Amino acid sequence: AQTVTQSQPEMSVQEAETVTLSCTYDTSESDYYLFWYKQPPSRQMILVIRQEAYKQQNATENRFSVNFQKAAKSFSLKISDSQLGDAAMYFCAYTTGGGADGLTFGKGTHLIIQP
Amino acid sequence: GAVVSQHPSRVICKSGTSVKIECRSLDFQATTMFWYRQFPKQSLMLMATSNEGSKATYEQGVEKDKFLINHASLTLSTLTVTSAHPEDSSFYICSAWDRMNTEAFFGQGTRLTVV
Repeated sequence: AQTVTQSQPEMSVQEAETVTLSCTYDTSESDYYLFWYKQPPSRQMILVIRQEAYKQQNATENRFSVNFQKAAKSFSLKISDSQLGDAAMYFCAYTTGGGADGLTFGKGTHLIIQP
Repeated sequence: GAVVSQHPSRVICKSGTSVKIECRSLDFQATTMFWYRQFPKQSLMLMATSNEGSKATYEQGVEKDKFLINHASLTLSTLTVTSAHPEDSSFYICSAWDRMNTEAFFGQGTRLTVV
């Protein structure tokens, strides 16, 4: 069974600074997708960034970027220039290539932004 | 991005009654939709996979007779919590998989309270 591990229950960062959230996963599949989702207090799940396993280049979306290390099965999220609106729960998630199996989520990291 | 609409957002019901939660994909056809459960301060756990025109697939430990899923059309899946008990109180979230964009879109979630 696939597992996703987030080892940081909570992280705190000063506004405008950079923070990295860790995620490791375990799978025997070669075709899969990895995601970072943000869940603010409203509890709406918001996609932050997506990485296809077959792509070597790390995904980037504005202030958000990932460090995808396929051999190490690591998928960390870097948030640059942290803003107060970034405060939320962040979940790392995995699915197989077809998407038919649903997402497997890590336990989440609560990100606190210090003004 | 695609929108998934989930209703109701909150419901309170009496113990022993049934509650139906609807999940609609508004601008794409979803042959596969997923239902997750999220306890306070915890991650999302996949309950079942809803397949249009066929029976749902339930994760281990999820009672299929308690959590009835119907996926009658390509845009609508429903979850009915039957004979609800206080321990069924939780946050339920649906998701639709967009094959075109290889992305999961989430509904707003339903907070169920059984009294």
